[in-house]
Amino acid sequence: DGGITQSPKYLFRKEGQNVTLSCEQNLNHDAMYWYRQDPGQGLRLIYYSQIVNDFQKGDIAEGYSVSREKKESFPLTVTSAQKNPTAFYLCASSIDGTGELFFGEGSRLTVL
Amino acid sequence: KNQVEQSPQSLIILEGKNCTLQCNYTVSPFSNLRWYKQDTGRGPVSLTIMTFSENTKSNGRYTATLDADTKQSSLHITASQLSDSASYICVLREAGTALIFGKGTTLSVSS
Repeated sequence: DGGITQSPKYLFRKEGQNVTLSCEQNLNHDAMYWYRQDPGQGLRLIYYSQIVNDFQKGDIAEGYSVSREKKESFPLTVTSAQKNPTAFYLCASSIDGTGELFFGEGSRLTVL
Repeated sequence: KNQVEQSPQSLIILEGKNCTLQCNYTVSPFSNLRWYKQDTGRGPVSLTIMTFSENTKSNGRYTATLDADTKQSSLHITASQLSDSASYICVLREAGTALIFGKGTTLSVSS
């Protein structure tokens, strides 16, 4: 089945550690996105990529980094510079920059 | 600043009852408006999409309406089921590519 796979589902991290969240899609979509979701807030855009080897910062990119070396993969690294990293992270893709977003199942990161 | 405001923040209804969720927006112009359903701990799934020129769109027991004059959209759920318990998110796409997300309405359907 076509879709978006995020891993891990749950992740615990100590303060000061970097962690990488995986996002893979087999929908042949050009565009991929990372969102952060906190209780009581709307989804906030961290980074997005509309083509391989190119990506742009979203509204809350500080403390995060991404890469887009392959069309199907868009990993997100949460660095130690992110002050409040505990959150639910959602990866999404769309056929292009204007199409419907298809979301993964999310990764919940907890910093201990 | 363009915004999307949803109400109520949360809602509890009995199984079998109807309910209506509201989305007020100031985004203008916009190319489309979507309603997403998000089960707890899962990713959002699209329910309906409407362009700025459409008034209504149905998907089974879900019916979305759009009033461009009042800048309001609503999502009506008919004959609610326990599986309708979820968060419902209103999302507008600005003319261009930017998406503006509402904070969502949390619906709880009880038996």
